Amino acid sequence: AQSVSQHNHHVILSEAASLELGCNYSYGGTVNLFWYVQYPGQHLQLLLKYFSGDPLVKGIKGFEAEFIKSKFSFNLRKPSVQWSDTAEYFCAVNPGLSGSARQLTFGSGTQLTVLP
Amino acid sequence: EPEVTQTPSHQVTQMGQEVILRCVPISNHLYFYWYRQILGQKVEFLVSFYNNEISEKSEIFDDQFSVERPDGSNFTLKIRSTKLEDSAMYFCASSDGGEAFFGQGTRLTVV
Repeated sequence: AQSVSQHNHHVILSEAASLELGCNYSYGGTVNLFWYVQYPGQHLQLLLKYFSGDPLVKGIKGFEAEFIKSKFSFNLRKPSVQWSDTAEYFCAVNPGLSGSARQLTFGSGTQLTVLP
Repeated sequence: EPEVTQTPSHQVTQMGQEVILRCVPISNHLYFYWYRQILGQKVEFLVSFYNNEISEKSEIFDDQFSVERPDGSNFTLKIRSTKLEDSAMYFCASSDGGEAFFGQGTRLTVV
């Protein structure tokens, strides 16, 4: 079974600081990788996804993530955070080919607090 | 933009009672899911549903739980004889085989 680790439980940054949130997964086969964001009181929203191709993927709101297969990692980055980025961020994987509808396995989440 | 809708947003129930959580997936999606998130813990998969039957379920999804697609639009999660530890946020999701779209969740509080 696959598992996902997010090592940072709570990250506090000032506005304009750069962000990198770690995500490592364990699974021996092909995976699809996702980052979801949950703003306070709202539902999970997809930030970006990797199915195949260019390992550097760009998502909404200036976020990007890089899939490094050799490290089983899919870290989320943003060069300059804003107060509105305050939210909880979840890394998730599912096995299979591109766009597989299989169940998602989530990491434990990272709470990002951006100070104005 | 199409979205997954869930009702109610918050449900309080007494221990031992049955609850039904409702979801309306995105209309052209064929895959449906239930996840839950206990306060302070990670989002956990419960069950996936495709072609009018369960395709996968987790260990959490025991005989206490059931899912149904009673008509062409709704997807429900029934919890029989609720326990205190069933208190959580329950998320419905749907997909067309690609990324999953999540609803806003139903906060279930068992007292």
